[in-house]
Amino acid sequence: GQQLNQSPQSMFIQEGEDVSMNCTSSSIFNTWLWYKQDPGEGPVLLIALYKAGELTSNGRLTAQFGITRKDSFLNISASIPSDVGIYFCAGQLPSNTGKLIFGQGTTLQVKP
Amino acid sequence: EAGVTQSPTHLIKTRGQQATLRCSPISGHTSVYWYQQALGLGLQFLLWYDEGEERNRGNFPPRFSGRQFPNYSSELNVNALELEDSALYLCASSLNYGYTFGSGTRLTVV
Repeated sequence: GQQLNQSPQSMFIQEGEDVSMNCTSSSIFNTWLWYKQDPGEGPVLLIALYKAGELTSNGRLTAQFGITRKDSFLNISASIPSDVGIYFCAGQLPSNTGKLIFGQGTTLQVKP
Repeated sequence: EAGVTQSPTHLIKTRGQQATLRCSPISGHTSVYWYQQALGLGLQFLLWYDEGEERNRGNFPPRFSGRQFPNYSSELNVNALELEDSALYLCASSLNYGYTFGSGTRLTVV
């Protein structure tokens, strides 16, 4: 079945550092989404990408939809303690299945 | 605008029992999606409802079922509960693109 390989699995960084995580797949996706999940909560949408090559920013967050449509990355600049959480990438296949394929998540810890 | 609301927040059931989880989508959203997030695993697609019809289901046994009501709210039913059904069950809604998730129902099977 379709899989998303998300890396790194976890990161422990100093406050103020930049962070980068990415997702790759052997399948082509129409849409890439990046979510953040805090403990006990549902995932919250951070950035949505709809077009190959698209580069989108949301405050300190920047994400890109890979030109091959098989990958995406998320960068967080100047990390702060509230960036702590689990970040998920999710892709939507060209066929309208209504299903999002999720990566396994990147756990981010920020040391003040 | 109210987000996606799920109830109950927590649910404890005994193996073999049935569980019913509820979801109210964002007003105007016609599609509802259910996902299972077991501990240590990513989000696994369960079901997609749109305009009252089941449009797609994930790789889960038939004891996972649900429905969508005329007001677009949805119910997920899990019959003959097994210990491995313990997980966070997330509901999401969408109109066109971008899924908005609720806070989930934590189901514990003992």
